[in-house]
Amino acid sequence: GEEVAQTPKHLVRGEGQKAKLYCAPIKGHSYVFWYQQVLKNEFKFLISFQNENVFDETGMPKERFSAKCLPNSPCSLEIQATKLEDSAVYFCASSQPGSPYGYTFGSGTRLTVV
Amino acid sequence: AQSVTQLGSHVSVSEGALVLLRCNYSSSVPPYLFWYVQYPNQGLQLLLKYTTGATLVKGINGFEAEFKKSETSFHLTKPSAHMSDAAEYFCAVRGFGNEKLTFGTGTRLTIIP
Repeated sequence: GEEVAQTPKHLVRGEGQKAKLYCAPIKGHSYVFWYQQVLKNEFKFLISFQNENVFDETGMPKERFSAKCLPNSPCSLEIQATKLEDSAVYFCASSQPGSPYGYTFGSGTRLTVV
Repeated sequence: AQSVTQLGSHVSVSEGALVLLRCNYSSSVPPYLFWYVQYPNQGLQLLLKYTTGATLVKGINGFEAEFKKSETSFHLTKPSAHMSDAAEYFCAVRGFGNEKLTFGTGTRLTIIP
């Protein structure tokens, strides 16, 4: 399809619980990106993949956050032991390889940690 | 490394007036520049992009932006604002070969009837 599909749209977790978010990129797009948006402001880059390989993980809080993009499966972003500060909208985007195209963004997953 | 500065976190214009949203960038390599719009509770939609070639770029919904290398700017304009333009606008930069987009902090555009 021509859209980046993110599930679920909303996720509520108690502090300390695990949260897992999913992203299906556009077919043929080999780059996948995860961003965190807090308070409708800054988009913080988390991690990117080139196919199933991590391309850039400089933004990942490695102690609790992990991500995967496996063949024939949606990509996933997992947060172990969520904290209140993890409450945010998490956006996934995909793009074609090696080109100056803009990304196509999904509609996001709103994570609320209570 | 790249960075983006958006001057003015909030901009209000009257319906029918000129819209000008400012964006300045810093990049160690020739940049690719983008403007995205975000409507409430939605994702980001690409308005326009500059890659190479013509420095005046036209996008969707009547928006355009001009890449000025000497000023390291990529300001977004629209001649006549419409109520439907009310949204959050984000400028972003990407260096060639570095696939990561770096965003500005956004400008909220309010249209006054």
